[in-house]
Amino acid sequence: DTAVSQTPKYLVTQMGNDKSIKCEQNLGHDTMYWYKQDSKKFLKIMFSYNNKELIINETVPNRFSPKSPDKAHLNLHINSLELGDSAVYFCASSPQGNWNYGYTFGSGTRLTVV
Amino acid sequence: GQQVMQIPQYQHVQEGEDFTTYCNSSTTLSNIQWYKQRPGGHPVFLIQLVKSGEVKKQKRLTFQFGEAKKNSSLHITATQTTDVGTYFCAFNFGNEKLTFGTGTRLTIIP
Repeated sequence: DTAVSQTPKYLVTQMGNDKSIKCEQNLGHDTMYWYKQDSKKFLKIMFSYNNKELIINETVPNRFSPKSPDKAHLNLHINSLELGDSAVYFCASSPQGNWNYGYTFGSGTRLTVV
Repeated sequence: GQQVMQIPQYQHVQEGEDFTTYCNSSTTLSNIQWYKQRPGGHPVFLIQLVKSGEVKKQKRLTFQFGEAKKNSSLHITATQTTDVGTYFCAFNFGNEKLTFGTGTRLTIIP
């Protein structure tokens, strides 16, 4: 069973389009995250949700809108895609307040905007 | 603001040689985690260090947390081709936000 699953794995789309990435975790974790990894491998947090509530919102353009219908799901919708949005987007989850087990990451969604 | 530098950015070693990556912070850290990301893969949690001066081992990997809790290192003894990947330190300051270091990309020359 995949612990944190993201779909799609690859996404190629044109500038100006709107797209969504879905994430689901079956670990019973309370907290979920979206990270962006650029071509230089830098990993930056974008959003964090705890039990469906937004708790971290880094300086991300408001074209990016996360949605958490329940604590097992955290989706990311991106409007008016730009070339600079091309990156790998990782979803992750963790049990709240328990740092010993680290974050569990999904396999990533490679977004290419052309 | 809090800054964490990870060095080196790249490291190429002959198979069988040792490898070390370092994480240095400008402020005291409450804890530090280490992750490994294989090429084309996703970050995988390796370990967490919490105590000042803590040393933990996982087979050929040795993790250290500095006495002042401002630096940490990951040392791999006798590297193997399976060690290829990018190694990240990561830390938080008591909130849910885990911040990653810049990573060290390890390549192995067989």
